[in-house]
Amino acid sequence: QSALTQPASVSGSPGQSITISCTGTSSDVGGYNYVSWYQQHPGKAPKLMIYDVSNRPSGVSNRFSGSKSGSTASLTISGLQAEDEGDYYCSSFTSGSTFVVFGGGTKLTVL
Amino acid sequence: QMQLQESGPGLVKPSETLSLTCTVSGGSISSSSYYWAWIRQPPGKGLEWIGTIYYSGSTYYNSSLKSRVTLSVDTSNNQFSLTLSSVTAADTAVYYCARLPLSRPLPYYFDYWGQGTLVTVSS
Repeated sequence: QSALTQPASVSGSPGQSITISCTGTSSDVGGYNYVSWYQQHPGKAPKLMIYDVSNRPSGVSNRFSGSKSGSTASLTISGLQAEDEGDYYCSSFTSGSTFVVFGGGTKLTVL
Repeated sequence: QMQLQESGPGLVKPSETLSLTCTVSGGSISSSSYYWAWIRQPPGKGLEWIGTIYYSGSTYYNSSLKSRVTLSVDTSNNQFSLTLSSVTAADTAVYYCARLPLSRPLPYYFDYWGQGTLVTVSS
């Protein structure tokens, strides 16, 4: 069982917006503004999309945005495109003994 | 352009030790601005952080693996390595190496990843 909880799957049509949630505790998501999000296509390495809750690395589309409320972080993808299909993982710093925890991943399907 | 490349055996026998090396190119592993890490992903499953190392040799391990994991760094060859002892089938996974930018209180996000290498534990 993963430390952070994500929905197993979400879907949307091209052009729509979707949001993926990531729920933790006060020891991780709720206690720090240190949440990151990764996109993974089949057979490929994960790619950093968001760090520090809402910051985008250089080169990542501004269609991707992050936010947090309490112990739940969210990734929103606007103007959904076919290339956005894949798995998305959230991650957080944690004061627990593992330092870094991941969510179980969410499979995004573009209809 | 920063690149990381994992290398090592793709098949390890149960109870033996898994050893992987990550070669960094396009930047120095001795940079004070970055840490280096290993993450793994069992087939069809999610990501698990294994451990993080600094060029000075400081290490941080996932408590669930700590008793079996050792990370080391070789600055002369711009490489860092993972050893995992007493492996079982549950250790079968794609193993990734990655870079972490320096951040407080501890580096936690991975901005560059290797392509990953599948290690299968089987007799």
